[in-house]
Amino acid sequence: DAGVTQSPTHLIKTRGQQVTLRCSPKSGHDTVSWYQQALGQGPQFIFQYYEEEERQRGNFPDRFSGHQFPNYSSELNVNALLLGDSALYLCASSLNLAGVTSYEQYFGPGTRLTVT
Amino acid sequence: AQKVTQAQTEISVVEKEDVTLDCVYETRDTTYYLFWYKQPPSGELVFLIRRNSFDEQNEISGRYSWNFQKSTSSFNFTITASQVVDSAVYFCALSEAQGSGGGADGLTFGKGTHLIIQP
Repeated sequence: DAGVTQSPTHLIKTRGQQVTLRCSPKSGHDTVSWYQQALGQGPQFIFQYYEEEERQRGNFPDRFSGHQFPNYSSELNVNALLLGDSALYLCASSLNLAGVTSYEQYFGPGTRLTVT
Repeated sequence: AQKVTQAQTEISVVEKEDVTLDCVYETRDTTYYLFWYKQPPSGELVFLIRRNSFDEQNEISGRYSWNFQKSTSSFNFTITASQVVDSAVYFCALSEAQGSGGGADGLTFGKGTHLIIQP
């Protein structure tokens, strides 16, 4: 049973550039959420995708955007990178299906983004 | 707005001691979910437990136990006979139930408690 996978593992970008991070959910899951975790802090919710639409969004600027594909995998895009965007980006998956919704979110290993 | 507070930034105990991690939450919803996650040095968050707001029954799983008290808005986590492998950062998190359409909201995390178990 494949867990949540994310790519790449590490990434170094320059301020002002754009970055795309990828996530494949746990087998059988249909909902993907993205989180940003700064060093020494708890993860902060960016947004959640379900049925290929952004379902809920946290307090992040429009520079952060995403997409979900028909196979439930997802991308997180960040434009005009700032130094403050350096963080661990975590993807989590869950299941939202009438009658069998699981409220647990299972996390991937994360992508460590460094902006210089 | 929802909020999770983990007042203990760091706890250090000697192996085999019992240790309790505190979690206090705030929410206006009557239906919500509480979670504990473990984050070892590798960085991946590991799910430990979920509790529904309408189920205040405490739970025990091996050396782990959780005490949920709605009256004090607390969801504390106790490790009995701690082991070095328990060393990690532990996060308490809250999720509110979405409206029609089901599913749960994104998680609101506390700042975490760094637990150090010394041999």
